[in-house]
Amino acid sequence: AQSVTQLDSHVSVSEGTPVLLRCNYSSSYSPSLFWYVQHPNKGLQLLLKYTSAATLVKGINGFEAEFKKSETSFHLTKPSAHMSDAAEYFCVVSEYLAFSGGYNKLIFGAGTRLAVHP
Amino acid sequence: DGGITQSPKYLFRKEGQNVTLSCEQNLNHDAMYWYRQDPGQGLRLIYYSQIVNDFQKGDIAEGYSVSREKKESFPLTVTSAQKNPTAFYLCASSPEGGTWTGELFFGEGSRLTVL
Repeated sequence: AQSVTQLDSHVSVSEGTPVLLRCNYSSSYSPSLFWYVQHPNKGLQLLLKYTSAATLVKGINGFEAEFKKSETSFHLTKPSAHMSDAAEYFCVVSEYLAFSGGYNKLIFGAGTRLAVHP
Repeated sequence: DGGITQSPKYLFRKEGQNVTLSCEQNLNHDAMYWYRQDPGQGLRLIYYSQIVNDFQKGDIAEGYSVSREKKESFPLTVTSAQKNPTAFYLCASSPEGGTWTGELFFGEGSRLTVL
């Protein structure tokens, strides 16, 4: 079974400094990986996704993530944090289930809450 | 605009009462999902439906029920059998099938509080 671990439950940065949110995954084959963002009391929005193409994936709002198979990691980064980046971020791995006609199940990490200070 | 609408946004329930959360989508997506979110636990799948008149249990289906009579609608009923129903509930959809890239489209959620 696949799993995903977000290594930090809370990260705090100053505005204008780099952001690093860490994610490790466990998978028996090449996975599809995603980062979603959730602002308070809102639904989740896709930031970026890796589906076995380029290992460095660029997403919205200046975020990017690098897939490192040897380290089973998919860390999310941004060069310069903005106040509007304060939110909760979820790392997600996709697991294909062959029953019921085939189904891609998404497995969510526990989330990392990012705080950005002036 | 296309999207997913969940209602109500906030709901209070007394113990022993069933409540139904509404989820409607106009994205013409085949698949719909219900997730439960608790602090520090990420999202857990309650039920999903890949096609009208068919649905499957997720990881935490006990105490919940769903129906999928129309493509656009996937209501969730939280029954009195659910031991700890206070949570944030999220509905999502996706264009199922071989073209699906794994992206889910989420509603804004319904927060249920049991008094």
